[in-house]
Formats: sequence, C-alpha cells, structure tokens
Amino acid sequence: GAVVSQHPSWVICKSGTSVKIECRSLDFQATTMFWYRQFPKQSLMLMATSNEGSKATYEQGVEKDKFLINHASLTLSTLTVTSAHPEDSSFYICSARGGEKNEKLFFGSGTQLSVL
Amino acid sequence: GENVEQHPSTLSVQEGDSAVIKCTYSDSASNYFPWYKQELGKRPQLIIDIRSNVGEKKDQRIAVTLNKTAKHFSLHITETQPEDSAVYFCAATVGFQKLVFGTGTRLLVSP
Repeated sequence: GAVVSQHPSWVICKSGTSVKIECRSLDFQATTMFWYRQFPKQSLMLMATSNEGSKATYEQGVEKDKFLINHASLTLSTLTVTSAHPEDSSFYICSARGGEKNEKLFFGSGTQLSVL
Repeated sequence: GENVEQHPSTLSVQEGDSAVIKCTYSDSASNYFPWYKQELGKRPQLIIDIRSNVGEKKDQRIAVTLNKTAKHFSLHITETQPEDSAVYFCAATVGFQKLVFGTGTRLLVSP
C-alpha cells in the first residue's frame, strides 16, 4: 500500500509558540491530503483538506489563521499550529489518497502535540 | 453533509467468538465504505473496504456487508483473537471527497 510519512511523531512546546508538522507521500503523488485531529478516546475529526497549489479547505469551526496549511508540492503538506495553547494539545494525523482507484485513504503515523 | 453513526461503543468478547460492529450513514450518495483498526497511539490501518456496487466482501476472518437501501454497513470478525483488540472505525465518503468517520468501537478480546 501507499506510504505516508509524518514528522515529528511527538512534540512538546510552550504556550504561545508555533509548531510545524510535515506530511509526505513517499511512493506516490498526492494532490489532496487531509488533516485530522483526534482527542483521547474520540474519533478522527477532519480539520481541513489540503490541495496542492491552492488554498486549503477548512471544516466548520476550524480557524484557518491558527492552523496554517501549505501544500507546496505533490508529496508534501505541512500543518502549522500557530500560537499554540494547551487546548490545542491533541493527536494530529494526516492522510492522503492512494491505491488503484485513488479512493483508499492512507494515514501518516500521527503527531502527539502537548502544549504546556 | 454526511453523518456516520457507529455501535456499539465498546464490545467485549471471548477469544474465538464473533464480533459485529454496525454503522449507519446519512448521505445516500455515499459510495465507498472503509473500516480502520487503530491501536493505542498508532495510526489507523485500513483493514477492509467496500464499494456501493457490492453487497458483501470477505478477507479471511473479516467481512463487511452493505445494505444500501437501509444505509447500513457492518464489520464482522470471526474467530476473534486477543490481537484483534483495538478501536475500530467505520467511515463513508461520497466520490473521492473527504471521509467521515464513525465514533469508534473499542473491541476487547479476552483469552
């Protein structure tokens, strides 16, 4: 199956700082990537859809100025959590479509963010 | 928009028993239904999927059934093993758009 790499796997930062998370499709090109957030014992909630070469599409309730998404190439999308606060602490996970019909969704390994 | 409900939220079975997890979706245009297994702190792993033009699909001990009329789809795991213990998520999507996930089922298989 397609491989999606995500870095870092965990990060601890101080309140008010910014954190960048990278998501790469290693063996395929992904014109669209998705960013999810998962709180403990909860489901995956879509934050935004990242489109290569254009602006990301954010879900209702997600602040686009706080969660900056850049999809500058067919293999890389980044999520920057700006001015992080403790309530932003969560498991962030990216995904990209792959497979024969490009309908299967493959996930990165996730990033556990802890904001102190 | 699409809404996916999943039941039960927790499921405990004895090793060797079968486990069934059920989901319903709201958008009749949905046409792709994957199931993911997620272990603690790990990424979701695709375990099986089904498209709307198929009613049932099986892969060894895992099977998925789809009832388009009722907008239901289910995951069936037979001969459960302790290593099947994890959280399982169903999802639905329209076309190649975003996946909407169910709320998850925590499966515990006791030896």
